[in-house]
Amino acid sequence: GDSVTQMEGPVTLSEEAFLTINCTYTATGYPSLFWYVQYPGEGLQLLLKATKADDKGSNKGFEATYRKETTSFHLEKGSVQVSDSAVYFCALLEDKIIFGKGTRLHILP
Amino acid sequence: DAGVIQSPRHEVTEMGQEVTLRCKPISGHDYLFWYRQTMMRGLELLIYFNNNVPIDDSGMPEDRFSAKMPNASFSTLKIQPSEPRDSAVYFCASSQGLGGELFFGEGSRLTVL
Repeated sequence: GDSVTQMEGPVTLSEEAFLTINCTYTATGYPSLFWYVQYPGEGLQLLLKATKADDKGSNKGFEATYRKETTSFHLEKGSVQVSDSAVYFCALLEDKIIFGKGTRLHILP
Repeated sequence: DAGVIQSPRHEVTEMGQEVTLRCKPISGHDYLFWYRQTMMRGLELLIYFNNNVPIDDSGMPEDRFSAKMPNASFSTLKIQPSEPRDSAVYFCASSQGLGGELFFGEGSRLTVL
C-alpha cells in the first residue's frame, strides 16, 4: 500500500543554517504531495503542496519539488529562523491522505 | 471565520470509562477526518466521512472505538470502554474535497489512567 517515509528527528540547527528534511513515498499511481507543519500545542497546517511531477511547492521560504523518478519530495529552506521550530509532516494523497511520522526541528538562536 | 472546533481540549479519565470527543468542522467542508497522534505511532487516520457518510474506517483500532456524523456540522468519536493505551491527542480535520487543504482543530488530549 501507499506509504511515506521521513528522516528521523530531531533535527537541530543554528539560526540561518540551510535545512533539508528528506521525504520519500510509495504509491500505486500519481499522488499529490504535501508538507504540513505543527507548532507546539496546535493542529497541523498546510505548508506547501505539489500535484504533479516536477511541480515545485513553496511558502514562507520553504520549497519542495515533486521528483517522480526518485519518488521524493524533500523540504528545503535556505536560512532557518527560531520561529521555524516545529514538527514537519510529509503526506501523500491518492484515495486518502497518508502522513509520515513527522520530523521535529529545533532551531537554536 | 471559525476554524475546526474540538472539545474537550483535555480529558483525564479512568480505565473503563466512556469517552466522547466532539468536533465541529468548517462550514461548507464536505470531508471530515479523525486522527490519533502518539509519539510511538505518529499521526494515524482513524476514519473519514464524506457528506456525513463514513467512507473508510479501516484505521479504527477495534470495536471499542466508534464515530458518528449525524449532520454536516457535528461529529463524535467515542471510546467505550477506554484503556490506558488509548491515551493520545485526537485531531479532527475537515476539507473541501478530498484533495483540498486539511484544516485541523487544536486537538483533544486524552489521558486514561
